[in-house]
Amino acid sequence: GAGVSQSPSNKVTEKGKDVELRCDPISGHTALYWYRQRLGQGLEFLIYFQGNSAPDKSGLPSDRFSAERTGESVSTLTIQRTQQEDSAVYLCASSLDRVTNREQFFGPGTRLTVL
Amino acid sequence: DQQVKQNSPSLSVQEGRISILNCDYTNSMFDYFLWYKKYPAEGPTFLISISSIKDKNEDGRFTVFLNKSAKHLSLHIVPSQPGDSAVYFCAARNPGTYKYIFGTGTRLKVLA
Repeated sequence: GAGVSQSPSNKVTEKGKDVELRCDPISGHTALYWYRQRLGQGLEFLIYFQGNSAPDKSGLPSDRFSAERTGESVSTLTIQRTQQEDSAVYLCASSLDRVTNREQFFGPGTRLTVL
Repeated sequence: DQQVKQNSPSLSVQEGRISILNCDYTNSMFDYFLWYKKYPAEGPTFLISISSIKDKNEDGRFTVFLNKSAKHLSLHIVPSQPGDSAVYFCAARNPGTYKYIFGTGTRLKVLA
């Protein structure tokens, strides 16, 4: 399919372990977002990539969170030393261009459970 | 402090009737608004949008109304269908940025 894909779909980990979440955006989409949705809450912006520009990391909740993106392709979100409050659905979205296309296409998300 | 609020966590509507989903915001500078629909175990999908220079946008059964003086946005679905049952999120954008602020969502259930 040509949509945004994320892996794994589910991840259960123990407190203190590191996890890595992957996002494959739609081919040709220059913008990529990571969001977090905790139970009963809205989508919380984490980080934004646009082409080769420096990413906007202003939404990352702590220095345990980091993300990378190779060019305009795959992105990985890494959470180090996971805590129980990190349990959430992590959503990735891509967009053709931040100026001309305001619509974001979301992946199915990765449900992270920290025990 | 939540800048985008969806005060109704859930709504039930009979099939064929109108569904009205509401969204309130606090920042009068928001310039673009979106509605997304989300089914369980799937990512949100874009539904309809409206620019702050308009007060209405219609797409088939879906119409979004914007009342800037009241800082209020609503999504009307008519007629409602059982397949419309999902969680609906509204989102708003600060001008000149790429960040959208999402509401907490309203779960719509359309009863057959």
